[in-house]
Amino acid sequence: GAGVSQSPRYKVAKRGQDVALRCDPISGHVSLFWYQQALGQGPEFLTYFQNEAQLDKSGLPSDRFFAERPEGSVSTLKIQRTQQEDSAVYLCASSSNQGLVGDTQYFGPGTRLTVL
Amino acid sequence: AQSVTQLDSQVPVFEEAPVELRCNYSSSVSVYLFWYVQYPNQGLQLLLKYLSGSTLVKGINGFEAEFNKSQTSFHLRKPSVHISDTAEYFCAVRNSGGYQKVTFGTGTKLQVIP
Repeated sequence: GAGVSQSPRYKVAKRGQDVALRCDPISGHVSLFWYQQALGQGPEFLTYFQNEAQLDKSGLPSDRFFAERPEGSVSTLKIQRTQQEDSAVYLCASSSNQGLVGDTQYFGPGTRLTVL
Repeated sequence: AQSVTQLDSQVPVFEEAPVELRCNYSSSVSVYLFWYVQYPNQGLQLLLKYLSGSTLVKGINGFEAEFNKSQTSFHLRKPSVHISDTAEYFCAVRNSGGYQKVTFGTGTKLQVIP
């Protein structure tokens, strides 16, 4: 594809609802990252996949957050029982190599989640 | 652990004037450094990166940055800004070893005044 795409672009959820955010990386990209960007802040790392393997999930803020990439391409970030503090823009990025020198992460436009 | 500090949350500058956006980092190991730009309602776009070699790095849209190891800085500069440069700019760092976990600063909003 032309770039990383994310859907939906905007999501409003009532507190306690479950949400699922989708990321379509650039075709053939091995690495996929999720970041959370709170209002007025820089993106913060959530989790990293290499193909279908989730190699780092140290940034997930709680066990309500879950990410998967079952076939090594599309990824879904799921948030269960959403709380107001989950309101943020969720960014997905992909890169072609496996952490090699100089590899560039390409970012999607993000999903803005608002929890009421 | 590594961290990035962008002291200026907002920088107003007149069109065609020069600008410098400051970035300082801390890390106990050698690092790679990046500058990203984010336009409203869009994802981040890579402006430039420092991996090794020449400490002066040139990027897209006429931006450049200089890596200063002794001062642990990676300031972004442009000699003459344009209205279209109005955006938020993020400095980022990652360790040179291992995979690509990136730590971002809090961002600097550049406002170009006509």
